[in-house]
Amino acid sequence: IQLTQSPSSLSASVGDRVTITCRASRDIGNYLAWYQQEPGKAPKLLIYTASILQSGVPSRFSGSGSGSDFTLTISSLQPEDFATYYCQELNTFPLTFGGGTKVDFK
Amino acid sequence: QVQLQESGPGLVRPSQTLSLTCTVSDGSVDSSVHYWSWIRQHPDKGLEWIGYVYYIGSTHHNYNPSLRSRVTMSVEASKNQFSLDLSSVTAADTAVYFCARIRQQLTYFDSWGRGTLVTVSS
Repeated sequence: IQLTQSPSSLSASVGDRVTITCRASRDIGNYLAWYQQEPGKAPKLLIYTASILQSGVPSRFSGSGSGSDFTLTISSLQPEDFATYYCQELNTFPLTFGGGTKVDFK
Repeated sequence: QVQLQESGPGLVRPSQTLSLTCTVSDGSVDSSVHYWSWIRQHPDKGLEWIGYVYYIGSTHHNYNPSLRSRVTMSVEASKNQFSLDLSSVTAADTAVYFCARIRQQLTYFDSWGRGTLVTVSS
């Protein structure tokens, strides 16, 4: 399975609505998770099974999609959201991640 | 809130074995609903899953086929730790190594250690 994220990077401003896409090479149902990685830190789970928000994650993050096309949306970008985002396919081995989308300041 | 902390040498010589330990706090490595995993990230690159291990009476594991011939993972339940050995290392194994907890069945990584940089160099 290959996970292709787009774009690979984007520039945005505080308050912007940001959308990141993850496309799987085959139908994976809703078996997808999203992570946020700030520079020099470990990834942090944001969303699992495509749309369920992990406890403690702000509600401005949302996930949608099923089958092979998935989206992570940040409704209003905050300063702490400038980071790299990864998708991960669930429950298929070897576990794999998308290539990442870096969100930086415009 | 479970916490994980990696430990081990930051420098390993080529052809030697890289050995890391992850200590789990506020959680138990003999959990019946979690696996314990290693992931690595090459400098300025993406994430690569190395494998997972779990302990239910005995040790069970699942390794990434790309690394399977060189990987061994184990659990030390009495110390609430799990470990990674990666043999015959080369410069291509230089990376930040993370330990993480996996939720069984759904296999998402819900808790991570901070990561430790391991450099392979003579």
